[in-house]
Amino acid sequence: NAGVTQTPKFRILKIGQSMTLQCTQDMNHNYMYWYRQDPGMGLKLIYYSVGAGITDKGEVPNGYNVSRSTTEDFPLRLELAAPSQTSVYFCASSYVGVDTEAFFGQGTRLTVV
Amino acid sequence: AQTVTQSQPEMSVQEAETVTLSCTYDTSESDYYLFWYKQPPSRQMILVIRQEAYKQQNATENRFSVNFQKAAKSFSLKISDSQLGDAAMYFCAYRSPFSGYALNFGKGTSLLVTP
Repeated sequence: NAGVTQTPKFRILKIGQSMTLQCTQDMNHNYMYWYRQDPGMGLKLIYYSVGAGITDKGEVPNGYNVSRSTTEDFPLRLELAAPSQTSVYFCASSYVGVDTEAFFGQGTRLTVV
Repeated sequence: AQTVTQSQPEMSVQEAETVTLSCTYDTSESDYYLFWYKQPPSRQMILVIRQEAYKQQNATENRFSVNFQKAAKSFSLKISDSQLGDAAMYFCAYRSPFSGYALNFGKGTSLLVTP
């Protein structure tokens, strides 16, 4: 059981380039999330999805896009990368419910230069 | 919006001693859960303990326990018999039906364990 898998683990991007961070889970969770973690800060919510075909903005959505065509996959797209998007990105998933455990991927460290 | 505050950027504890990490939160909701997550240098987010807002009894998981004061909106984590492997960032998090049950995190406390 792989849980939540993120790729790549590391990436260096030039300003203005685009890329997609991949996230897939094999636990049949309806809910999926993207967070970013800046140094000395907690995780901040970028986007979330409550099921296939349904996505919504979180606290810091600017500069990002998401899609959810299947239950398993929730890719995060960066268009026109900027240095402010240098961060560690985490994908997470869970069942519905306030008490359920959220499972996290191992994170992607992205540097924009 | 809910806010989670961890006022201790860094804490230090000696092996076998006890340490308490503080967390306060602000909410007007009645249905929520509180969590503590551990993040070692590997970056992996690991659930340590969770507490339901409706339960007065404090949660306990082996050497980890919480002191949940609902009226004061306080949720501290106590680590007993500290071990070198406890060294990590610890994040307090709040979860409610708002924003698709997304976790709302504090800034974290870095725990150093000395021999």
